[in-house]
Amino acid sequence: GQQLNQSPQSMFIQEGEDVSMNCTSSSIFNTWLWYKQDPGEGPVLLIALYKAGELTSNGRLTAQFGITRKDSFLNISASIPSDVGIYFCAGRRGSYIPTFGRGTSLIVHP
Amino acid sequence: NAGVTQTPKFRILKIGQSMTLQCTQDMNHNYMYWYRQDPGMGLKLIYYSVGAGITDKGEVPNGYNVSRSTTEDFPLRLELAAPSQTSVYFCASSYHTGSDEKLFFGSGTQLSVL
Repeated sequence: GQQLNQSPQSMFIQEGEDVSMNCTSSSIFNTWLWYKQDPGEGPVLLIALYKAGELTSNGRLTAQFGITRKDSFLNISASIPSDVGIYFCAGRRGSYIPTFGRGTSLIVHP
Repeated sequence: NAGVTQTPKFRILKIGQSMTLQCTQDMNHNYMYWYRQDPGMGLKLIYYSVGAGITDKGEVPNGYNVSRSTTEDFPLRLELAAPSQTSVYFCASSYHTGSDEKLFFGSGTQLSVL
């Protein structure tokens, strides 16, 4: 099956710092999705990207659809304690079921 | 605004027991999915359904069965529970249009097989 490499696996940062994470694939995707999972809950969609080069923001979060269509990036600016959770990327090719990355676990120290 | 509802929230099974994880959605979504989440391993697709009466295997279907008799419900059945099935299970649904599809997840079922 398709493989998504998501990095880093975990991050420990101080409140106020900016965060960057990314996903890469050997396959081209038509859609990139970024989800956040709060502890004890299911993932919730943060940002959806549909076009190569697209840059989309949702509050302090900004995600980009890579030009090669094989990667995507998520940035969080000025992190706060409630940003804690696991962030998942997911890529979708055509009408296929989305493939999920392994997640980036974010811990924010006050 | 119920969305995707999963029951139970927690369950402990003995090896060899069987159980059904329930999932229902009230958004009239055509696609439904079952994922399992193991620490550091992300979300692995177990089974999915593209509509009532149609199901298909995902990445890790062994040891599980599903059915989709209605649009709303998509139960996951474990027939002979094994320790390897200890995991957190998530049900999800989406309205599949071919171009714009966002998955909505339930809050999960934490299952331990001892």
